[in-house]
Amino acid sequence: SAVISQKPSRDICQRGTSLTIQCQVDSQVTMMFWYRQQPGQSLTLIATANQGSEATYESGFVIDKFPISRPNLTFSTLTVSNMSPEDSSIYLCSVVTGPPSGANVLTFGAGSRLTVL
Amino acid sequence: GQNIDQPTEMTATEGAIVQINCTYQTSGFNGLFWYQQHAGEAPTFLSYNVLDGLEEKGRFSSFLSRSKGYSYLLLKELQMKDSASYLCAVRDSNYQLIWGAGTKLIIKP
Repeated sequence: SAVISQKPSRDICQRGTSLTIQCQVDSQVTMMFWYRQQPGQSLTLIATANQGSEATYESGFVIDKFPISRPNLTFSTLTVSNMSPEDSSIYLCSVVTGPPSGANVLTFGAGSRLTVL
Repeated sequence: GQNIDQPTEMTATEGAIVQINCTYQTSGFNGLFWYQQHAGEAPTFLSYNVLDGLEEKGRFSSFLSRSKGYSYLLLKELQMKDSASYLCAVRDSNYQLIWGAGTKLIIKP
């Protein structure tokens, strides 16, 4: 399965600032996914990052707030813009790996824990 | 709407057996996943069920009944390292993953 390096692992940020999270994969992948995990809640998909095209955002998430870059098939960034305390969360990137065949199992990065003061 | 239900928290004793249930209501079904997530770490894949029945993998087994919208994860011979959250996720007819909030499993000696 793929190995994903994600950074920063954690950060404390001031309200109104922006932070960029980086995700590096050790193999080329077509799609990379960005998730948010708030305390005690389920994983929520923010967007799917496609190389060579704009990211596809899920309902409730917009590009102005969560701009994504995908310059090549092994790297992506997610920026959390104009942060507020409600953005305090763990942000995870993930890619599809196998096996079992056909399952499209997700492998996750270790996550970036953001605290906004 | 789409929904995944699993207990918030369970407690079990080291060496025992525990069953974590997951019920789902989704728009279609294209597979069910169980992931394990230790505190402060990324979720890691445990099992995948797409057909009814039991899938066994060492100390862990996962069961699926599509007609009942029901799955369970069975953990045998519990070890302290099994203390973690267990996430149930279903892929719907649009191949979107719907995630449960996770079950925090506490293992006591």
